[in-house]
Amino acid sequence: GENVGLHLPTLSVQEGDNSIINCAYSNSASDYFIWYKQESGKGPQFIIDIRSNMDKRQGQRVTVLLNKTVKHLSLQIAATQPGDSAVYFCAENPYTGGFKTIFGAGTRLFVKA
Amino acid sequence: DTGVSQDPRHKITKRGQNVTFRCDPISEHNRLYWYRQTLGQGPEFLTYFQNEAQLEKSRLLSDRFSAERPKGSFSTLEIQRTEQGDSAMYLCASSLPGTGGSPLHFGNGTRLTVT
Repeated sequence: GENVGLHLPTLSVQEGDNSIINCAYSNSASDYFIWYKQESGKGPQFIIDIRSNMDKRQGQRVTVLLNKTVKHLSLQIAATQPGDSAVYFCAENPYTGGFKTIFGAGTRLFVKA
Repeated sequence: DTGVSQDPRHKITKRGQNVTFRCDPISEHNRLYWYRQTLGQGPEFLTYFQNEAQLEKSRLLSDRFSAERPKGSFSTLEIQRTEQGDSAMYLCASSLPGTGGSPLHFGNGTRLTVT
C-alpha cells in the first residue's frame, strides 16, 4: 500500500530505559529508509537514516535496524529522556526514478519520569 | 534561522475561498516537497519540485490544488474553492540533490482550518 505500516500506535517507557519503535514497510523495492521525530506544533525532524545495503546504523543514542527479509525497520533509543516524548515516523523512498518519501502513521512515545 | 520557513503559520478561511501558502526552502536545497498531514496521521505526499520543475504530483491531489516554484527558490501552494476536508497541516520540506534519496528538512507547517 501507500503507507508504511506500524506495529504499535503508542509506546510508554520509563525515563532511562531503552525504547524500541517498530515499523513494517510494504515496498520491497525501497532502498532508503528514514526515521523522523515530530513534536507538537512542529514539522517532522530527521533523526537517522539507513540505505538498503546496510542492516544497522548508529547515531547518538539512536540505532536503526533494517531487516529486508521481512521488510522490518526499528528505531532504538538508548537511555530514553523526557525530551524524547514525541511521535516517531518511519518513512521509505520507494525509488522509481523519483524521490517521493512515504510516511507511516507514526508511533507516539511517552516517557514517564 | 536558516531552516525551512512557511507562511502563514495558521489560516482560517470560509468554505469556497481560495488560499495560498508560501514556503522558503533551505537555500542550497534544490528539491522542494509539499505534504499534507491530518491529526494522528503521517504526512501525505502532495507534490515535489526539482529546481523549478514540478516532477511528481500525487494522483490523490485534486485539481483545486496547484503548486508553483517559478524561480527554483520559494514555492507557493494554492487551494481553490476550499472545502472542509481541506482542513489539515500543510508541510513543506526541502532536500539536497543526490541519487538514492536524502533526508527531508521540514518547516513547521501552515495549519489550515476551513469553516
